[in-house]
Amino acid sequence: ETGVTQTPRHLVMGMTNKKSLKCEQHLGHNAMYWYKQSAKKPLELMFVYNFKEQTENNSVPSRFSPECPNSSHLFLHLHTLQPEDSALYLCASSRLTLGLAEAFFGQGTRLTVV
Amino acid sequence: DAKTTQPPSMDCAEGRAANLPCNHSTISGNEYVYWYRQIHSQGPQYIIHGLKNNETNEMASLIITEDRKSSTLILPHATLRDTAVYYCIVPIYNQGGKLIFGQGTELSVKP
Repeated sequence: ETGVTQTPRHLVMGMTNKKSLKCEQHLGHNAMYWYKQSAKKPLELMFVYNFKEQTENNSVPSRFSPECPNSSHLFLHLHTLQPEDSALYLCASSRLTLGLAEAFFGQGTRLTVV
Repeated sequence: DAKTTQPPSMDCAEGRAANLPCNHSTISGNEYVYWYRQIHSQGPQYIIHGLKNNETNEMASLIITEDRKSSTLILPHATLRDTAVYYCIVPIYNQGGKLIFGQGTELSVKP
């Protein structure tokens, strides 16, 4: 138990569906992240939120839409996905501190697009 | 992030020490070295970090060379549950928490 909870753990969706992934942390952290991990590949950083403000979008297609309503919750809204978007989506949180980077990860959502 | 280089894979016998090397020759004076691991299909897990001194916790030891250009993560008595991908990361100093993952080292602990 890392203190970062992701739901759902597994999701199967069609290419025309709209779904959302949810991430929640009650660690008092002020930064939250979405990562994507495709099969046999390293984690790719998608989005960064600092104090609820998006500070980084690593050229992620617009069919992925993040939302951070408060410092404890992070969503990833999905629509019109492609089969190649099937992957493990991981959420992480950390406390912004100069030089330090101890992040806590959720267990991830295994997404399958059919 | 300062670039890190790790061997793609390593084997270790159960009960023996696992020594995982990492090169980070471009590291700056105020940048830490972090180690995470990812057990299959789970989220990465923080292991340990250090700046210049050797560090030890309940999971592992971290040995950093005097010039700070390389480090070694030591799992003193590896178990089958230590089989995972181990990542050595040097985060950018003023972007605390943001981690860029490379390929890591896939450690296989064998009975």
